Amino acid sequence: KQEVTQIPAALSVPEGENLVLNCSFTDSAIYNLQWFRQDPGKGLTSLLLIQSSQREQTSGRLNASLDKSSGRSTLYIAASQPGDSATYLCAVVIGGSGNTGKLIFGQGTTLQVKP
Amino acid sequence: NAGVTQTPKFQVLKTGQSMTLQCAQDMNHEYMSWYRQDPGMGLRLIHYSVGAGITDQGEVPNGYNVSRSTTEDFPLRLLSAAPSQTSVYFCASSRRNRNQPQHFGDGTRLSIL
Repeated sequence: KQEVTQIPAALSVPEGENLVLNCSFTDSAIYNLQWFRQDPGKGLTSLLLIQSSQREQTSGRLNASLDKSSGRSTLYIAASQPGDSATYLCAVVIGGSGNTGKLIFGQGTTLQVKP
Repeated sequence: NAGVTQTPKFQVLKTGQSMTLQCAQDMNHEYMSWYRQDPGMGLRLIHYSVGAGITDQGEVPNGYNVSRSTTEDFPLRLLSAAPSQTSVYFCASSRRNRNQPQHFGDGTRLSIL
């Protein structure tokens, strides 16, 4: 059974710091890995999607890497800002019916960036 | 742009009551799904649908029913609510492609007394 783990559960950093969030998964048979952001009381916003054949994806100050063989992904946030404060979730996609994928989520890392 | 709309945003029920959580999307997405989010458990898939008339079970389907009569709507029904179903429920949609990101609604916060 696929299991996804995120470490640390919570992180507090001063503004401007570069930081890394970690995600690990137990089964390398995935189609892709996705990183989401969740603000308090809100839904999930997709940040980055890395296909299984890719090693990394970048969007602005965010860079996500994927090492499928070792079952690991990292989300790198450069020059953190207070507005980055949120819970970050990673999810791996496994096969569903009809060319669709089912998301298996980690429990998230709650990030606080202090001004 | 509306995206994925969930109603209601909050609901309190008594044990044994029934209710339907509504989910609608305006992006013409074939794939829709329901998740529940519980502290310490992350999000878990309840049911999903790959198109109108087609539904399938996820990881935690017991106690929930779904149907998909149109592309736009995917309601989740609780037939006899139990305290264990207290949770935050999220609906998501995407193109029918494993490498498409999923779009989530803002959730329904449900308490069962």
